[in-house]
Amino acid sequence: EAGVTQFPSHSVIEKGQTVTLRCDPISGHDNLYWYRRVMGKEIKFLLHFVKESKQDESGMPNNRFLAERTGGTYSTLKVQPAELEDSGVYFCASSANRASGNTIYFGEGSWLTVV
Amino acid sequence: RKEVEQDPGPFNVPEGATVAFNCTYSNSASQSFFWYRQDCRKEPKLLMSVYSSGNEDGRFTAQLNRASQYISLLIRDSKLSDSATYLCVVNKAGANNLFFGTGTRLTVIP
Repeated sequence: EAGVTQFPSHSVIEKGQTVTLRCDPISGHDNLYWYRRVMGKEIKFLLHFVKESKQDESGMPNNRFLAERTGGTYSTLKVQPAELEDSGVYFCASSANRASGNTIYFGEGSWLTVV
Repeated sequence: RKEVEQDPGPFNVPEGATVAFNCTYSNSASQSFFWYRQDCRKEPKLLMSVYSSGNEDGRFTAQLNRASQYISLLIRDSKLSDSATYLCVVNKAGANNLFFGTGTRLTVIP
C-alpha cells in the first residue's frame, strides 16, 4: 500500500514567487495534516483537514498560506508570495478515523528553499 | 515556553551501549505521548506510544511520569541502525494535532 506522497520533493524559488505543494494521503484516510519544520526549530502543526473540511487551521502562520482539499482526497498548500522565512520542510501526514486507530503517518516532506 | 523540550544532543555512543533520552512537556492537559524516529532527510516514523504504566518493545523502553510531565526513552544494546533523531511528541485531549520536540540526535559508533 502506498504511503503518504508529496510533490515536489524539493523546490527552490525566488522571494515573491508562488509555490504549490501537493500531498496525497494514504487511501481512505479522512484526516490530513500539514506540518512544517524551519531550520533549527521543531516540527510545527499548520492545519488539519477532516475530509474536505478544515478542522483546525490555528497553526497557519499568515494569509500568504492557503491550503485546500477539494473532494477530500489530495491536498495542496500554496505559498503566495513566498518570503525567505518560509524556507523549510513541509510535511504532510494522514490518519484514519479516530474510532479505528489514529496513528499518524508522515510523507517524506517537500523541501522548500526561498532565495 | 515550548510545548515539548528535549536535549538536542548529539549523543555518540558505542555499539552495545545503553542510552536514555528525556523530554518534558509543558501542558498538563496533554493526553497522548509518543516517540518518533527520523532518519536524515526522511519523514518522522512512529517508534512507540508511551503509556502511563511504562511499556517496552524489544530493546526500547518508554516511561511517562505525569506528575513531573516527563517522558523518557531507553535504548539497550544499541545497534548502528539505531542512529537517527528521536522526537518526543505529545498531543492534547480533544486535539488531533501533535506537538514535537526539536529531537535528540543519536549516533551509534562501531
